[in-house]
Amino acid sequence: ETGVTQSPTHLIKTRGQQVTLRCSSQSGHNTVSWYQQALGQGPQFIFQYYREEENGRGNFPPRFSGLQFPNYSSELNVNALELDDSALYLCASSLAGREYGYTFGSGTRLTVV
Amino acid sequence: SQQGEEDPQALSIQEGENATMNCSYKTSINNLQWYRQNSGRGLVHLILIRSNEREKHSGRLRVTLDTSKKSSSLLITASRAADTASYFCATVPGANSKLTFGKGITLSVRP
Repeated sequence: ETGVTQSPTHLIKTRGQQVTLRCSSQSGHNTVSWYQQALGQGPQFIFQYYREEENGRGNFPPRFSGLQFPNYSSELNVNALELDDSALYLCASSLAGREYGYTFGSGTRLTVV
Repeated sequence: SQQGEEDPQALSIQEGENATMNCSYKTSINNLQWYRQNSGRGLVHLILIRSNEREKHSGRLRVTLDTSKKSSSLLITASRAADTASYFCATVPGANSKLTFGKGITLSVRP
């Protein structure tokens, strides 16, 4: 059984650029959620995908978008990057209908300069 | 927005001592979970307690939940240097819902 894998681990982008982050969910999980964690803060919920549809969204602007693929892997896309987008982006997978802890990836550290 | 608020913000103890961390939240929950994070990397799930449970144990971990006070505590017994990390409580309002995290507690265990 594999865990959650995120790529890349680190990324540096320039303000205004676009970025795509990737996540492979844990085997057997069908739900993927994304979180943004600024330095010294707790993770903030961005959105969640289930069966390739977004089924929950936090307080993030539309330039944050995502996809979930038939194999339950997922992408997070951020357009028009801003300096405040610099953060650790975490992906978590879970199995809908089962009440247990989420499995998190190691995250992607995004720096916007 | 943050739902949980952990207390204290930072805790430093000697190896072998017990560490107690508290979490308060604002709205009704389906369950509450505790996570550990080492050096700003991924979160590791420690324990989940359902809204109809009052206490739960897992190894050296003991978690309590008081829904009337909207609070939870995490006790780590016989702490080790390897327990040094940030600890977060996260609430879940309903089935298959998002996690809402607090700002976390930084625990330092001195050898």
